[in-house]
Amino acid sequence: GAGVSQSPSNKVTEKGKDVELRCDPISGHTALYWYRQSLGQGLEFLIYFQGNSAPDKSGLPSDRFSAERTGGSVSTLTIQRTQQEDSAVYLCASSLQESGDTQYFGPGTRLTVL
Amino acid sequence: DAKTTQPTSMDCAEGRAANLPCNHSTISGNEYVYWYRQIHSQGPQYIIHGLKNNETNEMASLIITEDRKSSTLILPHATLRDTAVYYCIVRAYSGAGSYQLTFGKGTKLSVIP
Repeated sequence: GAGVSQSPSNKVTEKGKDVELRCDPISGHTALYWYRQSLGQGLEFLIYFQGNSAPDKSGLPSDRFSAERTGGSVSTLTIQRTQQEDSAVYLCASSLQESGDTQYFGPGTRLTVL
Repeated sequence: DAKTTQPTSMDCAEGRAANLPCNHSTISGNEYVYWYRQIHSQGPQYIIHGLKNNETNEMASLIITEDRKSSTLILPHATLRDTAVYYCIVRAYSGAGSYQLTFGKGTKLSVIP
């Protein structure tokens, strides 16, 4: 079946611009996570959605980062006034239910801020 | 969160079994052991998970010691496409319904022809 999809696969932007990254989770998955992975680094948690609510936003690095989820499905991660340190691969994962079912990852969006 | 320790790198001959060890000596009784892998420039791929018992699926087997302080991921017949970084994770409840995953450095497995 269809897995988690993310778009765009690559995004190059100039410092100071806003970007939007999209995640389409597996159909029926109510839990959705955003992570980022910097070059040579481990996975960094950003935010968790259960349905359209985000009970855990503790990983968002600054108020330039925000995310929303609509219809319990698609999620958008927005980064305002991008900085060079925002360059990373942004990964989305979804799981079946909030009780901690297996997370399945998308292919990621590689963001490069010049 | 329980931390995991894995070797930095391993080699395995094509067609042979790859045995990837992981230590998680501070694991709690209700924490699962998960394995993912990441092939260069791709998203992490789920492999297998377990709590106490050994597990097997179409990709791999997971052997967990009786005291649960360590585990081994076994790829029974490694192929070149199994070359990747393998992550052993102890998945803990993070609160507010979240089970965020924490990846360490993992083991870089190189399958050699």
